[in-house]
Amino acid sequence: DAGVTQSPTHLIKTRGQQVTLRCSPKSGHDTVSWYQQALGQGPQFIFQYYEEEERQRGNFPDRFSGHQFPNYSSELNVNALLLGDSALYLCASSLGGPSSYNEQFFGPGTRLTVL
Amino acid sequence: AQKITQTQPGMFVQEKEAVTLDCTYDTSDQSYGLFWYKQPSSGEMIFLIYQGSYDEQNATEGRYSLNFQKARKSANLVISASQLGDSAMYFCAMSPSGSARQLTFGSGTQLTVLP
Repeated sequence: DAGVTQSPTHLIKTRGQQVTLRCSPKSGHDTVSWYQQALGQGPQFIFQYYEEEERQRGNFPDRFSGHQFPNYSSELNVNALLLGDSALYLCASSLGGPSSYNEQFFGPGTRLTVL
Repeated sequence: AQKITQTQPGMFVQEKEAVTLDCTYDTSDQSYGLFWYKQPSSGEMIFLIYQGSYDEQNATEGRYSLNFQKARKSANLVISASQLGDSAMYFCAMSPSGSARQLTFGSGTQLTVLP
């Protein structure tokens, strides 16, 4: 049973560029959440996708956008990268949308470095 | 708004001994959920234990137990019989109504188990 997978593992970009991160949820899961974890801090919620729509959003600017595909996989896009966007980006999947009480399973993350 | 405070940046424990990791929280919600996650150096967040705000008994999962004191707004994690593999970063988190909604994380505690 495949868990949550993310690609790429590591990524290096320069300021002003755009980046796309990808997440495949755990088998059977239909809900995907994205978190940003800066070095030495706890993860911060970016947004959650369910039924191909953004259902909840944290305190992140519009430069952060996402998408969910019919197969439940998801992409996180960040435009106009800033040095402060350097972080570990974690994807978490669950079943049943934002109102469910099911556990979230996390992927290994994508380490983004902005130079 | 919800807030999680973890006041122990680092903790050391001898192998086979018990250790308590502190977590206090603040929320105006009547219903909420409290979680503990383990994050090894590989980056993946591993779910350990969950406590609902209306659960009368403290949650236990194997060697993990959650010492829930609602009036004091604390949700400390107790790890019994520590193992070398327990060395990792530990995060306390909460969500509204205990659902798979956005998780709010604390800043974490780095636990080191000594042989």
